[in-house]
Amino acid sequence: DTGVSQDPRHKITKRGQNVTFRCDPISEHNRLYWYRQTLGQGPEFLTYFQNEAQLEKSRLLSDRFSAERPKGSFSTLEIQRTEQGDSAMYLCASSPHPGLKSYNEQFFGPGTRLTVL
Amino acid sequence: SQQGEEDPQALSIQEGENATMNCSYKTSINNLQWYRQNSGRGLVHLILIRSNEREKHSGRLRVTLDTSKKSSSLLITASRAADTASYFCARSNTGKLIFGQGTTLQVKP
Repeated sequence: DTGVSQDPRHKITKRGQNVTFRCDPISEHNRLYWYRQTLGQGPEFLTYFQNEAQLEKSRLLSDRFSAERPKGSFSTLEIQRTEQGDSAMYLCASSPHPGLKSYNEQFFGPGTRLTVL
Repeated sequence: SQQGEEDPQALSIQEGENATMNCSYKTSINNLQWYRQNSGRGLVHLILIRSNEREKHSGRLRVTLDTSKKSSSLLITASRAADTASYFCARSNTGKLIFGQGTTLQVKP
């Protein structure tokens, strides 16, 4: 399967613990995005990378959240000192290099569902 | 917060009927996209319409865009049970997508 993959698919943690999620984009895509989605809502943008550079972060991304894409390939999203309000589906997406016809289309992974108890 | 509103929030139709979903947005756009989300396949891109286009077709899907009214509509013709899903419009801004709240469509066999 050459789509976007995310790991783990489900994570249950206790309040105050740290969690880390991984996203592997489609290999030739240089843009990688993180979104968060709560029940009944559309996805909300968190941050995105072009290669290894983090180009934009949402105000939703508090200082407890950090994302990295060290070699411009996979990315990790870490949440420190989790709170119950962090419970959500965390979606990763990737898109091709700007300039190609379909570069605005984003390809989404299956998501990581986080439950904070 | 979301910058798009979708209408209706929920829609239930019989198989074979057409389904129309509407999306409004507040600021200017480069393009507007529609995505579908169901439990089986996650979030999938359906169609993209650029700001200088007024209508676009893809199979049973027809999207219209009215930039003067800042609105778009998605029409699914001859619906099937497999079309049951949530549908989201999303505007593209500096690469990131800003999604609406979505329309939940149920197609009854």
